[in-house]
Amino acid sequence: DAKTTQPNSMESNEEEPVHLPCNHSTISGTDYIHWYRQLPSQGPEYVIHGLTSNVNNRMASLAIAEDRKSSTLILHRATLRDAAVYYCILRTDKLIFGTGTRLQVFP
Amino acid sequence: DADVTQTPRNRITKTGKRIMLECSQTKGHDRMYWYRQDPGLGLRLIYYSFDVKDINKGEISDGYSVSRQAQAKFSLSLESAIPNQTALYFCATSDFGPTGYTFGSGTRLTVV
Repeated sequence: DAKTTQPNSMESNEEEPVHLPCNHSTISGTDYIHWYRQLPSQGPEYVIHGLTSNVNNRMASLAIAEDRKSSTLILHRATLRDAAVYYCILRTDKLIFGTGTRLQVFP
Repeated sequence: DADVTQTPRNRITKTGKRIMLECSQTKGHDRMYWYRQDPGLGLRLIYYSFDVKDINKGEISDGYSVSRQAQAKFSLSLESAIPNQTALYFCATSDFGPTGYTFGSGTRLTVV
């Protein structure tokens, strides 16, 4: 399974945009890029996924590099409720989690 | 009702006991998964099933077994629980294709 690399932690202030990076230099052509987040004491929650084109949904935007070797999850206006661990995962037939990025949001 | 329901939510058991964790889903998906999470770490895949007749080992299947009783039900068993199986266990389901997984709320298992 292809590996992803994310920073261990990031910080943001409330109502500011947050850009969470992910490197996946060994991605194959059929790997979808998935993002999940896990709030404290909860199960992971699906955020967004994409293959080649940038994607938007009500939770976030996903920007995918043209060579697909990196991607960025964008939270347009962080709230305190966005404080969580964010996982970037290359989905083949199953999800293999890394350690993710712990996002802290300050008031 | 939740899309993925795990029972029990919390369980304390003794070393050597057999224990079963249950998972049911109402999404109508064929695929189901069991993960465990240790404190401060990411999730690790234990077993997964792509349909009722399909069972596959994940990253850390030793000491665990599973049963896919129906499309909606996937149970995880610890035949003889040991303390290092103390963890948070999550069940998930997904449809065929690249769509997202839906996770349950987890079962916190403590083996003493």
